[in-house]
Amino acid sequence: KAGVTQTPRYLIKTRGQQVTLSCSPISGHRSVSWYQQTPGQGLQFLFEYFSETQRNKGNFPGRFSGRQFSNSRSEMNVSTLELGDSALYLCASRLGTEAFFGQGTRLTVV
Amino acid sequence: AQSVTQPDIHITVSEGASLELRCNYSYGATPYLFWYVQSPGQGLQLLLKYFSGDTLVQGIKGFEAEFKRSQSSFNLRKPSVHWSDAAEYFCAVVTRGTGTASKLTFGTGTRLQVTL
Repeated sequence: KAGVTQTPRYLIKTRGQQVTLSCSPISGHRSVSWYQQTPGQGLQFLFEYFSETQRNKGNFPGRFSGRQFSNSRSEMNVSTLELGDSALYLCASRLGTEAFFGQGTRLTVV
Repeated sequence: AQSVTQPDIHITVSEGASLELRCNYSYGATPYLFWYVQSPGQGLQLLLKYFSGDTLVQGIKGFEAEFKRSQSSFNLRKPSVHWSDAAEYFCAVVTRGTGTASKLTFGTGTRLQVTL
């Protein structure tokens, strides 16, 4: 069966812009989580969605938001981009306790 | 707060040699523990997991890990490393939020280099 699909794979944006990243989970998985990975901070949890509801949130500013649709696909949005938002953004879909990760979206802010 | 410590940032081993990557966790209840591997520019692939039962768990690619409650450790091992094992390895624990919400808390990772 298909894995977790993240689009786009690579993205370059300018400071101050906003960006939307997409994640399609494994079929049948209703939980989608987002993580930010940077060399300095490592892997950090952003938020988790289940059945279109955010049920867990990490310690990130309000510029980071997300949503989930009825088909479990999820998007995350970052507004007013800062240089420090450059990172690999990973999405994970979960069934039970086991999480399956996509290949990530590499965001570069210039 | 729950945490995961991987004390080794970088390890170099020769191909064919054995490998042990260390992981210590801090968690009040019985933890759900995971090891993931990440190749450059890629996502995370699950190697193995521990939920309960037998403390020695087998994973993919010939990896195994042993859960030791008394030492709060979940070290990853492989008897004979292959050059293709060069990657970054992350230990993680599931931490519970409210209800069934949960998240993965990751260690800082160990980068494995394999010399031929």
